Amino acid sequence: GAVVSQHPSWVICKSGTSVKIECRSLDFQATTMFWYRQFPKQSLMLMATSNEGSKATYEQGVEKDKFLINHASLTLSTLTVTSAHPEDSSFYICSARPAGPEAFFGQGTRLTVV
Amino acid sequence: AQTVTQSQPEMSVQEAETVTLSCTYDTSESDYYLFWYKQPPSRQMILVIRQEAYKQQNATENRFSVNFQKAAKSFSLKISDSQLGDAAMYFCAYRSGREYGNKLVFGAGTILRVKS
Repeated sequence: GAVVSQHPSWVICKSGTSVKIECRSLDFQATTMFWYRQFPKQSLMLMATSNEGSKATYEQGVEKDKFLINHASLTLSTLTVTSAHPEDSSFYICSARPAGPEAFFGQGTRLTVV
Repeated sequence: AQTVTQSQPEMSVQEAETVTLSCTYDTSESDYYLFWYKQPPSRQMILVIRQEAYKQQNATENRFSVNFQKAAKSFSLKISDSQLGDAAMYFCAYRSGREYGNKLVFGAGTILRVKS
């Protein structure tokens, strides 16, 4: 199957700083990528849809200025958590879909803000 | 809007036995896809099985099979000969068949425990 690589796998940052998470499709081009947030033992919550060459579409309740998404190429989308606070600590997952109905997921990023 | 419901927060199964995870969904569309994803402790999402709504035949992948009841909007997952490695959280997901409606809608998930 298609491979989606997410980096870093885990990151610890200080409160007030920004952190960037990368999502790459390694063997296919993805015009659309998705960013999710997941709390322990809960489902994936869609944060935004990332479209190559255009602005991301954010889900209701997600702060656009807090979670900056850039989809600069057909294989790379980035999520930047700006001015991070402890409540932003969570597990973030990206996914991408090549041609066809299946979506493939990155391995996720555990963010801890201290 | 489409919704996916998994009514079993947790399930347990004895190794080598069979277990069925339930999923119902609500949609007014006729063209869509249904999926079961597995999330083990590593938290990597793994596709288990996929079903196209237009197909009447139930999908099967080795020990995993589904019971797709389109009229009832039900999509259950059966795991046969359960193994310790099957222990994970399982998510049922829906995706519209329309090209622009391509985001996944997930259920709340079911934690599956496998007893040795």
